Amino acid sequence: EDQVTQSPEALRLQEGESSSLNCSYTVSGLRGLFWYRQDPGKGPEFLFTLYSAGEEKEKERLKATLTKKESFLHITAPKPEDSATYLCAVHPRYSSASKIIFGSGTRLSIRP
Amino acid sequence: NAGVTQTPKFQVLKTGQSMTLQCAQDMNHNSMYWYRQDPGMGLRLIYYSASEGTTDKGEVPNGYNVSRLNKREFSLRLESAAPSQTSVYFCASSESTSGHAVETQYFGPGTRLLVL
Repeated sequence: EDQVTQSPEALRLQEGESSSLNCSYTVSGLRGLFWYRQDPGKGPEFLFTLYSAGEEKEKERLKATLTKKESFLHITAPKPEDSATYLCAVHPRYSSASKIIFGSGTRLSIRP
Repeated sequence: NAGVTQTPKFQVLKTGQSMTLQCAQDMNHNSMYWYRQDPGMGLRLIYYSASEGTTDKGEVPNGYNVSRLNKREFSLRLESAAPSQTSVYFCASSESTSGHAVETQYFGPGTRLLVL
């Protein structure tokens, strides 16, 4: 069964303390992997799409990487405004675009 | 561009009442989706519409109906609301014209529904 697991469920960091969020997936082939940011009371906001193992993408203090079994969202020197829930989603290779599977998210809190 | 808009933002219903959640997108996207988000769970697909005039069931369609009114609008209807339908509902859209393309989905702000 296709599955996406994100860890940890919640992470509290001090401002400037770098860390990584994990998204591990079990799918029969990967067509693409997405990262979204979700602020409280808002809809998910698209961050990155990764397509193949070894690929990396960056945006400000965030860098997403992809291996054959997992993806990491690295956050470097985070600021309080980076506090949000980060969602990972995968598009299995043999599925239509409607079959994207979402993880339950990591709730990130950055203390000043 | 407003992107994806949803109305209402918040709604309280009594068990057995009906309501329609509205969604519209101004990005000229072909595909539209309805998800629900519950605590501790990932977003789960209720229904989707790959193109104007077509709709299909997702993972959790029971208790819901949808209408793809035109290319811009996709509504979700609860005919007889139940407490188990208390959730946050998100509409999304993507450009997709090919069912197997890797498509980024863009989300609306959500509708928070409480069924008493």
